[in-house]
Amino acid sequence: AQKVTQAQTEISVVEKEDVTLDCVYETRDTTYYLFWYKQPPSGELVFLIRRNSFDEQNEISGRYSWNFQKSTSSFNFTITASQVVDSAVYFCALSGIKNNFNKFYFGSGTKLNVKP
Amino acid sequence: DTEVTQTPKHLVMGMTNKKSLKCEQHMGHRAMYWYKQKAKKPPELMFVYSYEKLSINESVPSRFSPECPNSSLLNLHLHALQPEDSALYLCASSQDSGGRIDTQYFGPGTRLTVL
Repeated sequence: AQKVTQAQTEISVVEKEDVTLDCVYETRDTTYYLFWYKQPPSGELVFLIRRNSFDEQNEISGRYSWNFQKSTSSFNFTITASQVVDSAVYFCALSGIKNNFNKFYFGSGTKLNVKP
Repeated sequence: DTEVTQTPKHLVMGMTNKKSLKCEQHMGHRAMYWYKQKAKKPPELMFVYSYEKLSINESVPSRFSPECPNSSLLNLHLHALQPEDSALYLCASSQDSGGRIDTQYFGPGTRLTVL
């Protein structure tokens, strides 16, 4: 069964603090992708990153970095020097093939509050 | 340009009304999706269209009727909805849906309120 767990329901930090959002996944597939999306209050889900199961290299994009570890089935997301504009709900998702189509399994989301 | 547009942004309707939600993408994607998202929950898949054909219906009630007039457009026709159908309705698209994993790009959503 495919499953994504985001144990942190809500996190509050003060601007400029670093924050890590946890994501743990379960799958029996050998080929899969992991995603992070950001959902600000406006509602749109904004794509942040995609990682395939064969690429465990960590990735950095500006203040954002991602740590993918297959050994612990985790794909954690760190924001360095957080800003108020980072306040949003962040979803981790696992994608696999079900009935020959691309199905996303979303975690429950982590709401990040960044206070000035 | 990774953009999916949705209209209207907000919609209030009575239980006897008929309304439609619209979604458009110009990225040449061949798969389009409708999701429903309740407050403080992740999106839930409703329908998948692949090459303009309905390929997945996740046991959605018949009061929701999807339509894909062409490869760029996706509609969701609403009729006789219930107050519990109030939610954010998100449209997404991806290059393909069949047999490969693609990034899904989401629109801004339509906030639906059923009175």
